[in-house]
Amino acid sequence: GAGVSQSPRYKVAKRGQDVALRCDPISGHVSLFWYQQALGQGPEFLTYFQNEAQLDKSGLPSDRFFAERPEGSVSTLKIQRTQQEDSAVYLCASSSTRDILSYEQYFGPGTRLTVT
Amino acid sequence: AQSVAQPEDQVNVAEGNPLTVKCTYSVSGNPYLFWYVQYPNRGLQFLLKYITGDNLVKGSYGFEAEFNKSQTSFHLKKPSALVSDSALYFCAVRDNTGRRALTFGSGTRLQVQP
Repeated sequence: GAGVSQSPRYKVAKRGQDVALRCDPISGHVSLFWYQQALGQGPEFLTYFQNEAQLDKSGLPSDRFFAERPEGSVSTLKIQRTQQEDSAVYLCASSSTRDILSYEQYFGPGTRLTVT
Repeated sequence: AQSVAQPEDQVNVAEGNPLTVKCTYSVSGNPYLFWYVQYPNRGLQFLLKYITGDNLVKGSYGFEAEFNKSQTSFHLKKPSALVSDSALYFCAVRDNTGRRALTFGSGTRLQVQP
């Protein structure tokens, strides 16, 4: 079946611009995660949704970062007034919580954001 | 706070030889442990997980990992490496509380030489 998809795959923004990154999770997956992966590093957690509820946003680095999932499927990560330090790959992942042992997260290809 | 250490930035192995990629972790309570692989310009692909039960877990593409509670380790292994196994490997952990976020290591690049 279809995996997690993200768009755009690449985004170049001028410093100070707002950007919106989209994630389409695997159909039926109730959990959705956003991670930020800087060059040469492992992914770092940003935020987590269960259906439309944002249950954990402890990883968002500043109030310029905002995520939503209004209907419990597609999610958007928005970054306002982008800064150079926001340059990274933004990964979306989804998982099913219907199976109590099915804890693995399935990742999309990521959006590479470059702020110039 | 939970953490993962992957002490080797790169592991080099000859094709056909066994490989090991090391991972140690720190977490409160019982750990849930994962290995992912990342190929260039692609997302992370799930390889295997340890949740409970047998300490030796088997996953995709012939990989396996051994959970060692006393050493807080979860090393990834494969008996016979392939050139196509060359990629970036990440170990990740979460605890058994309600918090579902994964904490990743910094990654180990595996280079398999023909």
